[in-house]
Amino acid sequence: DSGVTQTPKHLITATGQRVTLRCSPRSGDLSVYWYQQSLDQGLQFLIQYYNGEERAKGNILERFSAQQFPDLHSELNLSSLELGDSALYFCASSVAQGANRNTIYFGEGSWLTVV
Amino acid sequence: GQSLEQPSEVTAVEGAIVQINCTYQTSGFYGLSWYQQHDGGAPTFLSYNALDGLEETGRFSSFLSRSDSYGYLLLQELQMKDSASYFCAVTDSNYQLIWGAGTKLIIKP
Repeated sequence: DSGVTQTPKHLITATGQRVTLRCSPRSGDLSVYWYQQSLDQGLQFLIQYYNGEERAKGNILERFSAQQFPDLHSELNLSSLELGDSALYFCASSVAQGANRNTIYFGEGSWLTVV
Repeated sequence: GQSLEQPSEVTAVEGAIVQINCTYQTSGFYGLSWYQQHDGGAPTFLSYNALDGLEETGRFSSFLSRSDSYGYLLLQELQMKDSASYFCAVTDSNYQLIWGAGTKLIIKP
């Protein structure tokens, strides 16, 4: 158990809908990262927050948005969903603003299926 | 652009040794990490190299040559449970992780 908690674990929704994925980082971690992993694909970095502020942005679509709240949990909002958005979405956390020593800890992921 | 290259798939026999290579081209370099991911599971940290040379952690070792922009993960005494995908990742000058596409390790009995 990495200490990173993600909900829901599984989600099935229809095209055009909107969903919110939730992440609670490890206790003490200030950085939260979001990744997308499509079937048999690599990890696509979406966005990082550090202590409530956006720190880095990757290949995140305009239909997607995220935020980190004062209690450090984070939410990833996916809207106008398309079939191609079906993927495993990971949240990860680390203590530092940057990935020092690259030890970031991943949650178990949220499986999103768009039908 | 920034890129990491690693083989898409490697096959080995149980009990053998396998090496997974990673070459990188990034904006700055602070270190090279390796993560393991079993099917449907979360990536988990294996090792980190900031300096040239070999780091050993049990059956797993990781090597780095900064002059060659190259590293590898060495897995010894392969077990069936080592069947997984292995990702290399570089920490760039902005302390951001740049990921390789992953290597699927298939182990045959």
